[in-house]
Amino acid sequence: GAGVSQSPSNKVTEKGKDVELRCDPISGHTALYWYRQSLGQGLEFLIYFQGNSAPDKSGLPSDRFSAERTGGSVSTLTIQRTQQEDSAVYLCASSPRGGLTEAFFGQGTRLTVV
Amino acid sequence: GQQVMQIPQYQHVQEGEDFTTYCNSSTTLSNIQWYKQRPGGHPVFLIQLVKSGEVKKQKRLTFQFGEAKKNSSLHITATQTTDVGTYFCAGYPGNQFYFGTGTSLTVIP
Repeated sequence: GAGVSQSPSNKVTEKGKDVELRCDPISGHTALYWYRQSLGQGLEFLIYFQGNSAPDKSGLPSDRFSAERTGGSVSTLTIQRTQQEDSAVYLCASSPRGGLTEAFFGQGTRLTVV
Repeated sequence: GQQVMQIPQYQHVQEGEDFTTYCNSSTTLSNIQWYKQRPGGHPVFLIQLVKSGEVKKQKRLTFQFGEAKKNSSLHITATQTTDVGTYFCAGYPGNQFYFGTGTSLTVIP
């Protein structure tokens, strides 16, 4: 595709339910990042993939959060037993060569836990 | 651990005034990038600085990379309402990006 695609764009879920957020990076981009952004706040790092492996998972807030990447392409961020504090915009970004080149961001998934 | 701090967190300026945001890393960076996020949008890449002491300009925007490659600044001359948004720096020490906390700029017409 032409850019980083995230789905769904909006998700409303009930507290306690599991959700899956999807990121389709730009074809050929080896690096993929997930960030969380609460309203009016900065970018909170969640996880970084280089290919299919995740050298840095240090930003995942709890064991309810997990992420995987398959085929060096699509990535899925899963949040189990969602809590209200999980409500935020989840942004995905990809880059061709990690931090040596610019990162391209998707439009984000706005998650609301009610 | 690696940290990238950015100040100020918020800045309100009158249209036509100048604006500067500063970025400081706890470790030496291979490069630093700057992004702009418009309200309701996603971060968009502005520029990358690689060399020690490097200065780059984009119209009214001037970007600097410190001599020690641990700090950077973005200066906007004569702000316009189109400059509104949050400006993020992103430091790359050699493994992955570390985004700064961002500076939210409000321009008062």
